[in-house]
Amino acid sequence: GNSVTQMEGPVTLSEEAFLTINCTYTATGYPSLFWYVQYPGEGLQLLLKATKADDKGSNKGFEATYRKETTSFHLEKGSVQVSDSAVYFCALPLSGNTPLVFGKGTRLSVIA
Amino acid sequence: NAGVMQNPRHLVRRRGQEARLRCSPMKGHSHVYWYRQLPEEGLKFMVYLQKENIIDESGMPKERFSAEFPKEGPSILRIQQVVRGDSAAYFCASSPQNNEQFFGPGTRLTVL
Repeated sequence: GNSVTQMEGPVTLSEEAFLTINCTYTATGYPSLFWYVQYPGEGLQLLLKATKADDKGSNKGFEATYRKETTSFHLEKGSVQVSDSAVYFCALPLSGNTPLVFGKGTRLSVIA
Repeated sequence: NAGVMQNPRHLVRRRGQEARLRCSPMKGHSHVYWYRQLPEEGLKFMVYLQKENIIDESGMPKERFSAEFPKEGPSILRIQQVVRGDSAAYFCASSPQNNEQFFGPGTRLTVL
């Protein structure tokens, strides 16, 4: 089945710093790719997604581009805020459409 | 439209007891997925159900664990004779037609 490898944290940044969290995948075909965010004590929320190669997903200032040449889907944000402190998960379908396989998660802490 | 509901949010059991975790999917969603998250790790798929059917249970341990999604009422994940290694957060997700998944807040199970 498909799999994903995600940069391990924790990552600590100052407010307004640039964020990159690396994610690479192994897949049959070109499945949809996802980034989920988990705030402390909560469930996962879909942050953004891309459904085909070269698509760029974006939400709340975060972006990720589906790159089939490098099999990557890195998450970026130009200027992080304290409220972005959370755990971020890269994910794709195990096979077909669902269920999902997740990376181990990257914990981000943003300090003022 | 209420989101995915899970209860209880926190559950404490002694070794050997049974744990029952409930998940009410979003209105109109007929697909339910259960995932387990061990501390400091990503989510691992357990089981995928549609109404009255188990579609894929490849991620669920063969012993002590069972799941159902009856025609009426919530989906239930049942763990019999719990052991300390079952301590984890259990997340339920639902989707309308085998596509984007919406996650509940999770049930945190602690086995003493």
